[in-house]
Amino acid sequence: QSVLTQPPSASGTPGQRVTISCSGSSSNIGRNTVNWYQQLPGTAPKLLIYSHHQRPSGVPDRFFGSKSGASASLAISGLQSEDEADYHCASWDDSLNSWVFGGGTRVTVL
Amino acid sequence: QVQLVQSGSELKNPGASVKVSCKASGYILSHYAMNWVRQAPGQGLEWMGWIDTNTGDPTYAQGFTGRFVFSLDTSVSTTYLQINSLKAEDTAVYYCAREQGGPMVRQNWFDPWGQGTLVTVSS
Repeated sequence: QSVLTQPPSASGTPGQRVTISCSGSSSNIGRNTVNWYQQLPGTAPKLLIYSHHQRPSGVPDRFFGSKSGASASLAISGLQSEDEADYHCASWDDSLNSWVFGGGTRVTVL
Repeated sequence: QVQLVQSGSELKNPGASVKVSCKASGYILSHYAMNWVRQAPGQGLEWMGWIDTNTGDPTYAQGFTGRFVFSLDTSVSTTYLQINSLKAEDTAVYYCAREQGGPMVRQNWFDPWGQGTLVTVSS
């Protein structure tokens, strides 16, 4: 049972916009930054979004992160086949003194 | 470029030990904390803890105390994860990940990650 809650799956057709939610609490997302990691099939996670909405160099601006209260979202616009992956949200939890993750959301491009 | 390269897959019997290495290149190991993350088959990511690469002090997450040991050798820019008394439920991919950001952990993130090491525990 993950501390952060994500939907297990999401899908869209090429060119569509897909949004993934990540629900937490006042001890994690509510007071700390949120990061998103993309895990392509059979590979290691890769930093996609940090500090709620910042994109590392090389990450397309089709990926957009946001936060409101104790929840965060990752939006992928102009969905492409190469976006098929698992997406994990993460935040520091002050009560647990631990990094916590969501269970991951598998994005499928139909 | 900054890179973390982990050791190869391991197949171990229950009760044995395993030591996974994570070699850093492209930066000075002691300048950034190193974290360890577990991913069981078909599951999400689980934080195991971190090691202060300046002092060598480890911090273990709940559920990873006792059998899990973090260590490092700065002379070869490598951190290690050792798991003792292996159980079948330890079967997973283990990742090292450099922590970036600043002194406030709540504002940090993991980048880059190692490629992962699959540890399989089976008789």
